[in-house]
Amino acid sequence: QVQLQESGPGLVKPSGTLSLTCTVSGGSVSSDNWWTWVRQPPGKGLEWIGEIHHGGSTNYSPSLKSRVTISVDKSKNQFSLNLNSVTAADTAVYYCAPSGMDFWGQGTLVTVSS
Amino acid sequence: HSALTQPASVSGSPGQSITISCTGTSSDVGRYNYVSWFQQHPGKVPKLLIYDVTNRPSGVSNRFSGSKSGNTASLTISGLQAEDEADYYCSSYTSISTRVFGGGTKLTVL
Repeated sequence: QVQLQESGPGLVKPSGTLSLTCTVSGGSVSSDNWWTWVRQPPGKGLEWIGEIHHGGSTNYSPSLKSRVTISVDKSKNQFSLNLNSVTAADTAVYYCAPSGMDFWGQGTLVTVSS
Repeated sequence: HSALTQPASVSGSPGQSITISCTGTSSDVGRYNYVSWFQQHPGKVPKLLIYDVTNRPSGVSNRFSGSKSGNTASLTISGLQAEDEADYYCSSYTSISTRVFGGGTKLTVL
């Protein structure tokens, strides 16, 4: 059974870069699948951030495209999210999931604050 | 692609049926049969209820069903139960190869 686990700093300073990693266990990031990042600000709805294929192709939300990079590391069976120039509006629980979103990681809260 | 439009809240009594709408455009909901529905209880991870408009993953109750007409998709919950009280989100694939969520609907079981 494939499981996902998000990891990374829980606190990021304004104007800094948010960096998270999603580790895939019980399966391979190189399976024929796309891998997705989704976020949810406290008390608000879900927002699709972007996705990556193990071959490296990516798709990003137009509203975040200028600040987002998603990458994959097959050797570590991980995929990662980088979001730069963060503000308080980027404070959210960040989830990773396969593109079909049929299962999700537990999510990790990232707070943007000085 | 703007967020899909869902009602902010719906309510129903136990045993009743309710329907949650999800309105998009001809560039997302109306173009593709790639609409999904998710249930999220407070403090919990979202759970996939419906994918590809009408399909239920294994283990999801058949009280949940999905449909689509034009640019609007719908989730129907029949035989409403107290445990169904949660937030519900729709999602669709889009013409620019992205996905977009609805704003979410809070279901209250009276």
